[in-house]
Amino acid sequence: DAKTTQPPSMDCAEGRAANLPCNHSTISGNEYVYWYRQIHSQGPQYIIHGLKNNETNEMASLIITEDRKSSTLILPHATLRDTAVYYCIVRGVSGTYKYIFGTGTRLKVLA
Amino acid sequence: SAVISQKPSRDICQRGTSLTIQCQVDSQVTMMFWYRQQPGQSLTLIATANQGSEATYESGFVIDKFPISRPNLTFSTLTVSNMSPEDSSIYLCSVGGTLTYEQYFGPGTRLTVT
Repeated sequence: DAKTTQPPSMDCAEGRAANLPCNHSTISGNEYVYWYRQIHSQGPQYIIHGLKNNETNEMASLIITEDRKSSTLILPHATLRDTAVYYCIVRGVSGTYKYIFGTGTRLKVLA
Repeated sequence: SAVISQKPSRDICQRGTSLTIQCQVDSQVTMMFWYRQQPGQSLTLIATANQGSEATYESGFVIDKFPISRPNLTFSTLTVSNMSPEDSSIYLCSVGGTLTYEQYFGPGTRLTVT
């Protein structure tokens, strides 16, 4: 079973920040949080990942709570092209390295 | 990052037949993964394929139905055998990154079984 829980859907106005939450209350100390998105049945696209510090790249920011039991992916200025299903995945850095996908959040950016 | 291609991009097949899907990577990678995405669903891991060893299958997937080859560090195939309409899905391969272990996904193969 997936180790994460996400809301099934969200809407966001174009140009506004999109804040996508993820609950991972059973995360272990050596497990990272990864975010991917899938646009209209294309292959999932890597966005960002983190362990315990907040992370930012050219696509998004990742905010992880101090207890690491939840995180938020922030798209600072959402565009119509950001409409996709967003997956939050928890995975360790040893063992089989496999991902277990949850159901994700379907983000719709509105014009 | 890695660039991954899959062939075919889509196919329509008759029940009872088999289809082999190819996954090609532009660099050498240790770990490759095969996923299935049924219509309207999330991704489900089928198996992990490491070069030089037998593929490791997830619960609910068996080698007789989904044989996998991994002849070298840039290529893998997944065969969907004795197909039924329930096998209609998108099949995706992915490869493991190196330093930070993110995965990169191919564009997928859309399979329809009639």
